[in-house]
Amino acid sequence: EIVLTQSPGTLSLSPGERATLSCRASQSVSSSSLAWYQQKPGQAPRLLIYGASSRATGIPDRFSGSGSGTDFTLTISSLEPEDFAVYYCQQSGKFGQGTKLEIK
Amino acid sequence: QVQLVQSGSELKKPGASVKVPCRASGYTFTTYAINWVRQAPGQGLEWMGWINTNTGNPTYVQGFAGRFVFSLDTSVSTAYLQISSLKAEDTAVYYCATDTWAYWGQGTLVTVSS
Repeated sequence: EIVLTQSPGTLSLSPGERATLSCRASQSVSSSSLAWYQQKPGQAPRLLIYGASSRATGIPDRFSGSGSGTDFTLTISSLEPEDFAVYYCQQSGKFGQGTKLEIK
Repeated sequence: QVQLVQSGSELKKPGASVKVPCRASGYTFTTYAINWVRQAPGQGLEWMGWINTNTGNPTYVQGFAGRFVFSLDTSVSTAYLQISSLKAEDTAVYYCATDTWAYWGQGTLVTVSS
């Protein structure tokens, strides 16, 4: 069973800064099945990135995904106030434990 | 536009059952399979499995077979999650989502309490 481990657990940054979130798989996975989601309190998750690097419809270009094999990254180039939320990676349905991005 | 609509909340006693609907609109229902995801209070997302909307065949992730049943009523474009023999630890928000994961219901909070 593949386990996804996200780091850090919590990331404290200021608006305008760059955020780098990591997702590591316990074994090599297909990039085509790696996705990233954003979830705000009281809301359903929102698909940001699919296929490791493709932005979903309507997602701003400050969000980008990269990686292959076991190591994947979600980068937010310049944080906007609305970007502070919890982020999850997902591989073939299964989710990582999440990274909370909070305002410093 | 594609929408998945879920009921707001359910309050049930331990040992009871609940059936959570997920009504689809804005597309042909059989276009997308439906996933189910659980989120316990303050916790992360757990994929429960999915149901093929063409065949009605469900697939359950380990740990969700038995008390959890996925079903369909294609005449009303609705998928259902039924949970039997409810326990306090079943208290959670349950989401449905299309197999593309691009569309999600707003979630149904199921609270199990005596």
